[in-house]
Amino acid sequence: GESVGLHLPTLSVQEGDNSIINCAYSNSASDYFIWYKQESGKGPQFIIDIRSNMDKRQGQRVTVLLNKTVKHLSLQIAATQPGDSAVYFCAEQETSGSRLTFGEGTQLTVNP
Amino acid sequence: GAGVSQSPSNKVTEKGKDVELRCDPISGHTALYWYRQSLGQGLEFLIYFQGNSAPDKSGLPSDRFSAERTGGSVSTLTIQRTQQEDSAVYLCASSLVRGPLGEQYFGPGTRLTVT
Repeated sequence: GESVGLHLPTLSVQEGDNSIINCAYSNSASDYFIWYKQESGKGPQFIIDIRSNMDKRQGQRVTVLLNKTVKHLSLQIAATQPGDSAVYFCAEQETSGSRLTFGEGTQLTVNP
Repeated sequence: GAGVSQSPSNKVTEKGKDVELRCDPISGHTALYWYRQSLGQGLEFLIYFQGNSAPDKSGLPSDRFSAERTGGSVSTLTIQRTQQEDSAVYLCASSLVRGPLGEQYFGPGTRLTVT
């Protein structure tokens, strides 16, 4: 069936480095992609989103890139901080649907 | 402002018992979603409510699971005859509008443990 998955389950970086978290999706009908951050014991928190008619979107210290040709999504975090340590999920949503389909998640650890 | 709230935060129950999980969405949000997150896993869609429309129940794993949304606000997820595989964190989310225009805001979840 359709799925959204992540290439790496864990990522460890040094404080101040840039982080890149990748995600592959298989549903060509997906129109909307979102990155969520989940800290231990909390619900997912919205970070940034991107529509399928875009290939790049920037927020504060974060950038999402979308490559529809290879069905690939990435989240770039600039100057990673210890507070960025969390599990990051990508999620996709079809144009006509309302449910979110989540990937497995990547555990980001930022070392001081 | 107030976010999505869920209660209880933790629930331990014996196998075979019924449980009810509650979600209070953000005021004014017309869409409400339930997801399940097993340990170390991603979120799995369960059910979706939008206004007065019939709910999308396509994610419910069995007929032991049901949900209601009363008055277009509070929702209750009920699991009957709980099994150990039902142990997970149950997350509720709400959004202002349905579809790709509606950012989903998540509550803190209810951690359910079936012994």
